[in-house]
Amino acid sequence: EDKVVQSPLSLVVHEGDTVTLNCSYEVTNFRSLLWYKQEKKAPTFLFMLTSSGIEKKSGRLSSILDKKELFSILNITATQTGDSAVYLCAVEGLNGGATNKLIFGTGTLLAVQP
Amino acid sequence: NAGVTQTPKFQVLKTGQSMTLQCAQDMNHEYMSWYRQDPGMGLRLIHYSVGAGITDQGEVPNGYNVSRSTTEDFPLRLLSAAPSQTSVYFCASSYFPAGRPQQTQYFGPGTRLLVL
Repeated sequence: EDKVVQSPLSLVVHEGDTVTLNCSYEVTNFRSLLWYKQEKKAPTFLFMLTSSGIEKKSGRLSSILDKKELFSILNITATQTGDSAVYLCAVEGLNGGATNKLIFGTGTLLAVQP
Repeated sequence: NAGVTQTPKFQVLKTGQSMTLQCAQDMNHEYMSWYRQDPGMGLRLIHYSVGAGITDQGEVPNGYNVSRSTTEDFPLRLLSAAPSQTSVYFCASSYFPAGRPQQTQYFGPGTRLLVL
């Protein structure tokens, strides 16, 4: 059965700390791994990763994929209170039908304290 | 561009009632989908559509119907609401390049549904 597991479930840090969020997966016919940030409402897209070892970076956020060990990490440096959110990991796999499947993890709740 | 819009934002239903959750997008996206989000369960796909007139079931379709008469609209119908359908519902849309709609999916703001 396909699954995506995120850890930790929740995390409380202070402003300025660096955090690492983890996502491991078992999804048949892997195509890509996506990270989303969900604040109070809709998830917003952060990164899509398809190749091992190539870091994607956007400001203080970065992510990397290891397709051999089946995991990805999302790093946030110099955290700010605005980084407080649920971070979702999703893995896209071939489905053999009209569209690919997308399996979501349960998310990591990050709280950044001033 | 309004992006993806959903109505209502919040709804309370009694068991057995029916209702329709509305979803619309103005980005001319071919692919649209409905997810539900429950604590400890992540986002789960209910139904999806790859274009007007085409719909298919996702991971948890039971109790829900959809239709796609236009590119813009993708309503989700609950025919007989049950407490197990209490959840937050998200509609999403994306382009559909070569069968890979999940890239940069745009999510609506969500509808919070409570079934008593």
